[in-house]
Amino acid sequence: AQTVTQSQPEMSVQEAETVTLSCTYDTSESDYYLFWYKQPPSRQMILVIRQEAYKQQNATENRFSVNFQKAAKSFSLKISDSQLGDAAMYFCAYRSANRDDKIIFGKGTRLHILP
Amino acid sequence: NAGVTQTPKFRVLKTGQSMTLLCAQDMNHEYMYWYRQDPGMGLRLIHYSVGEGTTAKGEVPDGYNVSRLKKQNFLLGLESAAPSQTSVYFCASSYRRYYSYEQYFGPGTRLTVT
Repeated sequence: AQTVTQSQPEMSVQEAETVTLSCTYDTSESDYYLFWYKQPPSRQMILVIRQEAYKQQNATENRFSVNFQKAAKSFSLKISDSQLGDAAMYFCAYRSANRDDKIIFGKGTRLHILP
Repeated sequence: NAGVTQTPKFRVLKTGQSMTLLCAQDMNHEYMYWYRQDPGMGLRLIHYSVGEGTTAKGEVPDGYNVSRLKKQNFLLGLESAAPSQTSVYFCASSYRRYYSYEQYFGPGTRLTVT
């Protein structure tokens, strides 16, 4: 069975600095998708970035980028120029491309932004 | 588009009472999901549906039932609520696999069972 591990329950970063959130996953499949979701205090789950496993190029969305290491099964999220609005819980997630079922979530990393 | 909506947003139940949570989506998504979120546990899948009239068990299905009579609605039922079911419940939906893979989430329902 697939698993997703986020080893950092909490992290802090100074405003305007860069922070990297870690995520590792375990799977025997070769075709899958990886996601980072953000959950601010409002509780709404917001998709931050998505990576297709077949793509070697790392996904980027404005200040958010990933470091996808398929062989190492690692999928870290880098947030550049951190802003107060980035304070949230961040979830890493995995979805098989071959099965009609669910996304598997990690337990989350709470990110604090220090002014 | 309203996206994914959940009713109600908050609810307090006494042990043994029953209730139904309603999830509705207007994006014509085939797949719908119910999760629960507890502190330090992330999101855990309760039940899901890959199409109208179909349901399947997720990671933590005990004590819950679901129905998907219409494509746009996915209902989560608690027949006899227990304090262990105090949680925040999220509904999500997505297209089938050949279109898009991300899940769109509702705003959540905070349920307290006393």
